[in-house]
Amino acid sequence: DSGVTQTPKHLITATGQRVTLRCSPRSGDLSVYWYQQSLDQGLQFLIQYYNGEERAKGNILERFSAQQFPDLHSELNLSSLELGDSALYFCASSAGRFYNSPLHFGNGTRLTVT
Amino acid sequence: QQPVQSPQAVILREGEDAVINCSSSKALYSVHWYRQKHGEAPVFLMILLKGGEQKGHDKISASFNEKKQQSSLYLTASQLSYSGTYFCGTHNSDQTGANNLFFGTGTRLTVIP
Repeated sequence: DSGVTQTPKHLITATGQRVTLRCSPRSGDLSVYWYQQSLDQGLQFLIQYYNGEERAKGNILERFSAQQFPDLHSELNLSSLELGDSALYFCASSAGRFYNSPLHFGNGTRLTVT
Repeated sequence: QQPVQSPQAVILREGEDAVINCSSSKALYSVHWYRQKHGEAPVFLMILLKGGEQKGHDKISASFNEKKQQSSLYLTASQLSYSGTYFCGTHNSDQTGANNLFFGTGTRLTVIP
């Protein structure tokens, strides 16, 4: 168990809808990262937060947004959903914000857009 | 910015060795290695920092050649439990101030009895 909690585990919704994915990092970790993994694909970096502030952005669509709250949990909001957004969304956390901190991944939220 | 991994897939018999390579077109500060079993979350294996270090974790070790901008993961005397997809994640030298890892497309390793 990595200590990172993601909810919900599964989400099925229709095109055009909006969903919110939630992540609670490991106790003490200040950094939260979001990754998207499509079927049999690699991990695409979306966005990173450190102690409530956005630190880095990757290939995140404008329809997606995220935030990290004062209690350090994070939410990823996906709107105007398209079929191609169906994927496994991972949250990861790390103690620090620099390159020498290992990432600890949650079990992911599987999003299916129909 | 995404590193390139090779091979894409490999099948081993128990006890055999394997090498997975990860290379980047950009100068690297660090390389991370993770293993993901089917349907599960990626699990951290090790980090290598610039300086050409080598690390080991049981019978899995790795090297980082900063000048060549590449890292290799060595799996010796493979066990069935080594099966999974191995990802390298790289942190480029122009990403100071952030730890956003860019992962390779993965190497699927299958160990058979």
